[in-house]
Amino acid sequence: DARVTQTPRHKVTEMGQEVTMRCQPILGHNTVFWYRQTMMQGLELLAYFRNRAPLDDSGMPKDRFSAEMPDATLATLKIQPSEPRDSAVYFCASGTYRGGSGNTEAFFGQGTRLTVV
Amino acid sequence: GQQVMQIPQYQHVQEGEDFTTYCNSSTTLSNIQWYKQRPGGHPVFLIQLVKSGEVKKQKRLTFQFGEAKKNSSLHITATQTTDVGTYFCAGNHNYGQNFVFGPGTRLSVLP
Repeated sequence: DARVTQTPRHKVTEMGQEVTMRCQPILGHNTVFWYRQTMMQGLELLAYFRNRAPLDDSGMPKDRFSAEMPDATLATLKIQPSEPRDSAVYFCASGTYRGGSGNTEAFFGQGTRLTVV
Repeated sequence: GQQVMQIPQYQHVQEGEDFTTYCNSSTTLSNIQWYKQRPGGHPVFLIQLVKSGEVKKQKRLTFQFGEAKKNSSLHITATQTTDVGTYFCAGNHNYGQNFVFGPGTRLSVLP
């Protein structure tokens, strides 16, 4: 049963520390999304990749956040330095873009619950 | 910018009552998707609508895409406690771009 895998599931860290979240998309999917979910802001798109190339990271605070796809099986989201306001659930999702048909459904991972104290 | 709104924000119903959530876009959509997120869970895809005026059904759930492709609705008939969760619509404004999620409607079902 194919699924998107995210690690870690939970992370508690001190303000100022670096946080790295990892995502293994479903094999064969060509699009990977990073979302952040908070009670106040709902689901915010941080960045997304197609065929490993970043297409849009305008939702991401550039000074402290970075997203990469070193290979087709791994996407990373890094926060350095972390701040309490970064506390949220971070979801990775993958899907397939099929040209004129647009995007198929997004399959979400179980998320990383980040708490910055 | 492109925005997707949903109403209501919250809905409390008695088990057996019907429920409807509405999704509205500021611009015409190429297609729209609906997701359900159970408390403590992750969003799970329900359906995608592509054609103007399209109506699709999944058991007690009925999804509709407006004629102008700027709004959509999800209707649940005779809610059950298993329907509890947050329902999100996600609009695709141009083929190939990412989906813009609405803020969601949180449904509570009282037994």
